[in-house]
Amino acid sequence: EVQLVESGGGLVQPGRSLRLSCTTSGFTFGDYGVSWFRQAPGKGLEWVGFIRSKAYGVTTEYAASVKGRFTISRDDSKSIAYLQMNSLKTEDTAVYFCSRIEYGDYWGQGTLVTVSS
Amino acid sequence: DIQMTQSPSSLSASVGDRVTITCRASQSISNYFNWFQQKPGKAPKLLIYGASNLQTAVPSRFSGSGSGTDFTLTISSLQPADFASYYCQQSFFTPYTFGQGTKLEIK
Repeated sequence: EVQLVESGGGLVQPGRSLRLSCTTSGFTFGDYGVSWFRQAPGKGLEWVGFIRSKAYGVTTEYAASVKGRFTISRDDSKSIAYLQMNSLKTEDTAVYFCSRIEYGDYWGQGTLVTVSS
Repeated sequence: DIQMTQSPSSLSASVGDRVTITCRASQSISNYFNWFQQKPGKAPKLLIYGASNLQTAVPSRFSGSGSGTDFTLTISSLQPADFASYYCQQSFFTPYTFGQGTKLEIK
């Protein structure tokens, strides 16, 4: 069974950093890209970024709203993807989801990040 | 960015009804188009990928059609489990953008 589990969310002050993890199982992680999405409270879905597999050069792409502040990485030996979030803003408050492949055929349950002083 | 315009934003229907939700892209996206269902407090669930392909384990009462700029999700006979929010998404160009969602409620 394909599973993705996010962790690392919480309350953080504006300007600080947080790293989310996406721990996966049930598939060959190294063969797949991973996307991150987010959903602000009561709002719709927003794509955050994507990391390709080693076969495609482990390249990354980001939404304009997070480019230069957020970094996606992966550890294929552990089947984990990461979302490093720096210089957090109040508007980054959301539930963050990781998902398999660029559009998300399987998703984790999400982890809440609250940016507030 | 590609804009996705989804309609209606909300819909009331009864169990057994046939329901259609539409989505229009601001430019052609071929069939790089997907539909998701989301229930409160849960992650989105992929229903349809590639505009018309049913994701594994999704009931056959769900179907998708369209190509280019205009797409449709049809639920042939609503079941109680189908009352949820639905989102369209284009995966042709980054950023992968979503429609604003359709909230399907029980009449």
